[in-house]
Amino acid sequence: QQQVKQSPQSLIVQKGGISIINCAYENTAFDYFPWYQQFPGKGPALLIAIRPDVSEKKEGRFTISFNKSAKQFSLHIMDSQPGDSATYFCAASRGGFQKLVFGTGTRLLVSP
Amino acid sequence: DGGITQSPKYLFRKEGQNVTLSCEQNLNHDAMYWYRQDPGQGLRLIYYSQIVNDFQKGDIAEGYSVSREKKESFPLTVTSAQKNPTAFYLCASSPRTGGLSGANVLTFGAGSRLTVL
Repeated sequence: QQQVKQSPQSLIVQKGGISIINCAYENTAFDYFPWYQQFPGKGPALLIAIRPDVSEKKEGRFTISFNKSAKQFSLHIMDSQPGDSATYFCAASRGGFQKLVFGTGTRLLVSP
Repeated sequence: DGGITQSPKYLFRKEGQNVTLSCEQNLNHDAMYWYRQDPGQGLRLIYYSQIVNDFQKGDIAEGYSVSREKKESFPLTVTSAQKNPTAFYLCASSPRTGGLSGANVLTFGAGSRLTVL
């Protein structure tokens, strides 16, 4: 299976709160899991990525948690800010040529 | 500034017409991609190219065509055979065509929004 399932489809969080977006995959051959952030009218940009040999990766307010046994990974945005309002895509790929499989996206709105 | 330039940003087309979307990169990347974005469906791969004069179909190639005559250019033609062409089209590139996972980071253009009237 090549699918990556992402939830929720949309999310509203108050300023200062924690935003959590979840993704699940089936293909155990996937070994690279990036998150992309897309602002309206723009192309997506890499936010943070993880490989399955670690369970967590943190960059500033953004953290990826990875559960290999459950085949799930999630993005946590701590102290969410209105400037974080965007659409977030999880993705996955396997070794060799990097053909990324994207999730369906989560539209995050951080209210002031 | 290095990056990807997509043009036009907005395009309107009548049914039955072919249109070509331009994608130019000055990042010296080997691989280039075309994705289609529809609400609630994420990014779906149309075509990709690893080297000049070579390209492969992605997941939804029907009704589309591409060429890769130059390393920096990867135009996409949306043909009249594409049944539902109204969408946001994204071009991307990456510096490698293989190797260790995680080595390829996609750089996206700002997109082209195609509307069929």
